Amino acid sequence: GAGVSQTPSNKVTEKGKYVELRCDPISGHTALYWYRQSLGQGPEFLIYFQGTGAADDSGLPNDRFFAVRPEGSVSTLKIQRTERGDSAVYLCASSPTVREEAFFGQGTRLTVV
Amino acid sequence: DQQVKQNSPSLSVQEGRISILNCDYTNSMFDYFLWYKKYPAEGPTFLISISSIKDKNEDGRFTVFLNKSAKHLSLHIVPSQPGDSAVYFCAASSGTYKYIFGTGTRLKVLA
Repeated sequence: GAGVSQTPSNKVTEKGKYVELRCDPISGHTALYWYRQSLGQGPEFLIYFQGTGAADDSGLPNDRFFAVRPEGSVSTLKIQRTERGDSAVYLCASSPTVREEAFFGQGTRLTVV
Repeated sequence: DQQVKQNSPSLSVQEGRISILNCDYTNSMFDYFLWYKKYPAEGPTFLISISSIKDKNEDGRFTVFLNKSAKHLSLHIVPSQPGDSAVYFCAASSGTYKYIFGTGTRLKVLA
């Protein structure tokens, strides 16, 4: 596809469950980012990948959150033992290189009940 | 501590008039600023950016002004159109990939 694709669009899960959120970046983009947007807030940085490696994961809130990008393209954000406070829209973005403008996907709305 | 602030949660403007959206920042190390537009149920869409070496950047109906001494930037949209109705986020970075976003301003352009 032409843009950043995120699946699923919506995810409802029970507290304590494990979830995976997928991001398909724009083809050829080496930089990939995950952001989280809570209600009434702007997006907050979670993690940045350059190629396959997580160059900066300083925004991950705690060790329940983990992300991978094994082949330098698709990325998966993994959340263990979900809590109600994890409910938010999780946004993925990619850019051709690290200092160019990032293109965002439509987001995955995660609701933990 | 909010490093990027958008103090106006909402703004209404008549079609054809100018929309001015404001953004203040506290970190003097920020050297790159961007504006994103967001429609409901969509991700943010890049609109326009400005480097700290400039004080103005223009792209069609959109102009961003940067006042480094005041740590203030603004987005001007002229003329405003109903399709411009969206939430606008300003974002800043300091020589890195990590954007710090404001909380957004909801613009409503009235036909």
